[in-house]
Amino acid sequence: DGGITQSPKYLFRKEGQNVTLSCEQNLNHDAMYWYRQDPGQGLRLIYYSQIVNDFQKGDIAEGYSVSREKKESFPLTVTSAQKNPTAFYLCASSDGPRAFFGQGTRLTVV
Amino acid sequence: GESVGLHLPTLSVQEGDNSIINCAYSNSASDYFIWYKQESGKGPQFIIDIRSNMDKRQGQRVTVLLNKTVKHLSLQIAATQPGDSAVYFCAESKTDYKLSFGAGTTVTVRA
Repeated sequence: DGGITQSPKYLFRKEGQNVTLSCEQNLNHDAMYWYRQDPGQGLRLIYYSQIVNDFQKGDIAEGYSVSREKKESFPLTVTSAQKNPTAFYLCASSDGPRAFFGQGTRLTVV
Repeated sequence: GESVGLHLPTLSVQEGDNSIINCAYSNSASDYFIWYKQESGKGPQFIIDIRSNMDKRQGQRVTVLLNKTVKHLSLQIAATQPGDSAVYFCAESKTDYKLSFGAGTTVTVRA
């Protein structure tokens, strides 16, 4: 069935390590997004891509990197440069203004 | 920069009553507004949307009202049910389709 799949659901990382979060969609949407959510707060845009092989920084891109080599995939790497990476990460896709979200990955730095 | 915010962080409502969740936005250039529902540990789920050239839009048990004069958006839920307990976010978008989210309102339904 169609949708957005994020994996893993839970992820633990040691300080100083890079980690990559997976996001796959089979909705044939051109645009994909990564958001970060901290407890009790709204979603903040990290990176977005409106077409394959192109992406732009969002409001809080520092310490993160992305790639968009395929239309259906938009992986997010949380690098060691991200000072406070523990958060809930949400991927979304859209073919217009209405975005659809995955179920999220909860990243914890230990 | 632009911001989207909700008037109240929490709302407690009796089961069967109507709920009203409010949102204020600051960017008059936004042309599209969406309400999302997020249950604990899950991704946001689309509820209803409205374009800036509309004042009101109705869905199943939900109504969104847009007042562009005072930059105010509201979500009305009729006959609130226990399954409506969640965090509700309003979001705004412009032509680039980047969504800006408010902080959310936590709705708790009392039995």
